[in-house]
Amino acid sequence: EPEVTQTPSHQVTQMGQEVILRCVPISNHLYFYWYRQILGQKVEFLVSFYNNEISEKSEIFDDQFSVERPDGSNFTLKIRSTKLEDSAMYFCASSEGQNTFGSGTRLTVV
Amino acid sequence: GQNIDQPTEMTATEGAIVQINCTYQTSGFNGLFWYQQHAGEAPTFLSYNVLDGLEEKGRFSSFLSRSKGYSYLLLKELQMKDSASYLCAVRDHGNTGFQKLVFGTGTRLLVSP
Repeated sequence: EPEVTQTPSHQVTQMGQEVILRCVPISNHLYFYWYRQILGQKVEFLVSFYNNEISEKSEIFDDQFSVERPDGSNFTLKIRSTKLEDSAMYFCASSEGQNTFGSGTRLTVV
Repeated sequence: GQNIDQPTEMTATEGAIVQINCTYQTSGFNGLFWYQQHAGEAPTFLSYNVLDGLEEKGRFSSFLSRSKGYSYLLLKELQMKDSASYLCAVRDHGNTGFQKLVFGTGTRLLVSP
């Protein structure tokens, strides 16, 4: 069964550093998403991406965040100048109907 | 605004039936999803309703009433491995017409022997 692949599975970073989270969506999907889940809280929408541009973003997705599709397969989330409160699971999802989620990247900012 | 409510935690016994309720208020409804999430893992798709009524899928069924803003997930013949969080999520058009999922806080189900 096709799956969404995310790397790395875990990332520890110093406060103030930049991180890039990587995702390989399912190959024939056209809609891509990033969600995050702070420990013990609900899954929150960050951004959706279609046709090589952002289609919608939440209030969380401020200038600290950016997304890119640098080639035909990868989809990345960059977080600049990380803060302690950015510690969370970050899920990539792709869709042609229902969202299929990747296994997530656990980001810990110390 | 958008609001999705579901109970925080439920307990049930192996072999029993449990119903997890979800009520929602969103601006651009385009379907309701149920996901299962084990601790530290990604949500996995269980069911999808866009029209009123019951969708059955093996031991899992999901019901939707759009006029009442209400859904439930029914789990039959509970197994220990069903202990997980169950997430209710509404697909919302949003302001741009593109669709995103808006999640409830999840219901943690504990199945005991």
